[in-house]
Amino acid sequence: DIQMTQSPSSLSASVGDKVTITCQATQDISHSLNWFQQRPGKAPKLLIYDASTLETGVPSRFSGSGSGTDFTFSISSLQPDDVATYYCQQYDSLPYTFGQGTKLEIK
Amino acid sequence: QVQLVESGGGVVKPGGSLRLSCAASGFPFSDYYMTWIRQPPGKGLEWIGYISGSASSMYVADSLRGRFTISRDNAKNSLSLQMNSLTAEDTAVYYCARDAGLGYWGQGTLVTVSP
Repeated sequence: DIQMTQSPSSLSASVGDKVTITCQATQDISHSLNWFQQRPGKAPKLLIYDASTLETGVPSRFSGSGSGTDFTFSISSLQPDDVATYYCQQYDSLPYTFGQGTKLEIK
Repeated sequence: QVQLVESGGGVVKPGGSLRLSCAASGFPFSDYYMTWIRQPPGKGLEWIGYISGSASSMYVADSLRGRFTISRDNAKNSLSLQMNSLTAEDTAVYYCARDAGLGYWGQGTLVTVSP
């Protein structure tokens, strides 16, 4: 199975800061990567697919990049509404595995 | 609009079985793969498996294969997850999601395995 490792596991930043989360795969997954946001008590929400394509309706402050084994997710200007746990997920090879999550808080 | 509603969760004793359902609406159900994902309390997401639109192809993660089976009834726009030989480690919120890309999720149903 492909293992997905996110860094950091938790993050505290101020409103307006740029926030970056990384996700590393144990083998080449090309661009087959999703990023999800999960607010407390809610189902995950797809933000980015194909590593860098923003899902319809998702604010442009969210972005993703990378290919192969190394990927980055960024929020250009952190908003209070962005408090959540963020997950990456690969869909290159079965089983489609998730990263362990990054919990983002406001400082 | 797309709606996915899970049901069937509850408390079950270790060794027991449970069948979860996911009612889909707002899209041509038989055209889409459907996926199950679970999340133990306070922990991360685990991909369980998926089934093709025609039900001709089904894949369950190795760690769950033999105990978990995914099926669907396209006439009823319904997805199912049959879970057998349950243990405490299966305690989780279970989500269904549309397609392999997981663009739409249900609200989840909680399964608690406890004596």
